Amino acid sequence: DVKVTQSSRYLVKRTGEKVFLECVQDMDHENMFWYRQDPGLGLRLIYFSYDVKMKEKGDIPEGYSVSREKKERFSLILESASTNQTSMYLCASSQLAGAAYEQYFGPGTRLTVT
Amino acid sequence: AQRVTQPEKLLSVFKGAPVELKCNYSYSGSPELFWYVQYSRQRLQLLLRHISRESIKGFTADLNKGETSFHLKKPFAQEEDSAMYYCALSGAYGNKLVFGAGTILRVKS
Repeated sequence: DVKVTQSSRYLVKRTGEKVFLECVQDMDHENMFWYRQDPGLGLRLIYFSYDVKMKEKGDIPEGYSVSREKKERFSLILESASTNQTSMYLCASSQLAGAAYEQYFGPGTRLTVT
Repeated sequence: AQRVTQPEKLLSVFKGAPVELKCNYSYSGSPELFWYVQYSRQRLQLLLRHISRESIKGFTADLNKGETSFHLKKPFAQEEDSAMYYCALSGAYGNKLVFGAGTILRVKS
């Protein structure tokens, strides 16, 4: 069964803290993605990676960075958390080739920055 | 630029009534269109994709390139269809998806 896991379901951090969100997939997928999900805005792509050590900016990369040292793991880093980064964060993965491939999502991490 | 518009934030229908969730897109090439669904307390998952031309859980969606639309339809709504529905588009660059804002479907008994 396809599996994408995220390290935390809920996270509360203070303004200015460095925050790490971890995502692991067990499907040997090349592509991995980080989105944030906000009411009325849908899902917005923060960063994606199509291979180990490769990354590309999505639509809203400001304030975030990512790391992909192993194929199965994709980390999202908030260098200095701010209150406007309070959101639900979703990780996803997919096969590399073809635009029609399904993305598989993790359960999400609800981050609150106070 | 790629854009997906879902004009309704909330659609409320009675059980047994027809459902149509609207989706319009903006893309200059040949898009791949998808509907994703998120049931309460579950993760986001693929419902259907236009390339498969399939019906899933009684839902269908037809790509209308002339109207740049990909509306999701079901003839008879069921209570278990209540969920958040996202329309998404994949363009020329790999598997990157652009999502709409989502529509909450509430099916009342």
